Amino acid sequence: AQSVSQHNHHVILSEAASLELGCNYSYGGTVNLFWYVQYPGQHLQLLLKYFSGDPLVKGIKGFEAEFIKSKFSFNLRKPSVQWSDTAEYFCAVILSGGYNKLIFGAGTRLAVHP
Amino acid sequence: EPEVTQTPSHQVTQMGQEVILRCVPISNHLYFYWYRQILGQKVEFLVSFYNNEISEKSEIFDDQFSVERPDGSNFTLKIRSTKLEDSAMYFCASSPGLAGEQFFGPGTRLTVL
Repeated sequence: AQSVSQHNHHVILSEAASLELGCNYSYGGTVNLFWYVQYPGQHLQLLLKYFSGDPLVKGIKGFEAEFIKSKFSFNLRKPSVQWSDTAEYFCAVILSGGYNKLIFGAGTRLAVHP
Repeated sequence: EPEVTQTPSHQVTQMGQEVILRCVPISNHLYFYWYRQILGQKVEFLVSFYNNEISEKSEIFDDQFSVERPDGSNFTLKIRSTKLEDSAMYFCASSPGLAGEQFFGPGTRLTVL
């Protein structure tokens, strides 16, 4: 069955540290890729998305992600995190022909200490 | 900025009771969804709805579940006879088109006792 794996369940960083959250999916066809974020007490919101074109996509709040098709990966990065980035981050995919069903990873809880 | 809203934010019910979770999607969106997240587990797709009918449903979405868009604004999820394992956070989402960004509501936490 198609799945999305996020390698880190909990990440703790100090402010100004660099961040990379891993995401891999298992599906051989075309995918649309997403990173969603859920800040404490808030709803899921889109950080960035990849449909086609430049595999390096930039999102809100200084986040970016790189799609590497050969590795089935879509890792999220930020060069310098802030305390306000403390949140849970979800990678998700929509498979071609999968209507709009988002398949989510388990999420990564990021805590940034001042 | 338009948002998806959900009510109630928290619902407590007894096992075997019916519950209706309500959502108001963004007004010009055409596709509507329900997802759920059991505590400590992944967000899971339940059902998608387009043009007044279900377009896809997961194996979780059995005969105990139903969805409805009773008027031009609300989108509801009904669980006919709740079980303990239905306790979860239920998220509604909507999107303007196919395979694009989905906008999520804040969720309803359902607790079945």
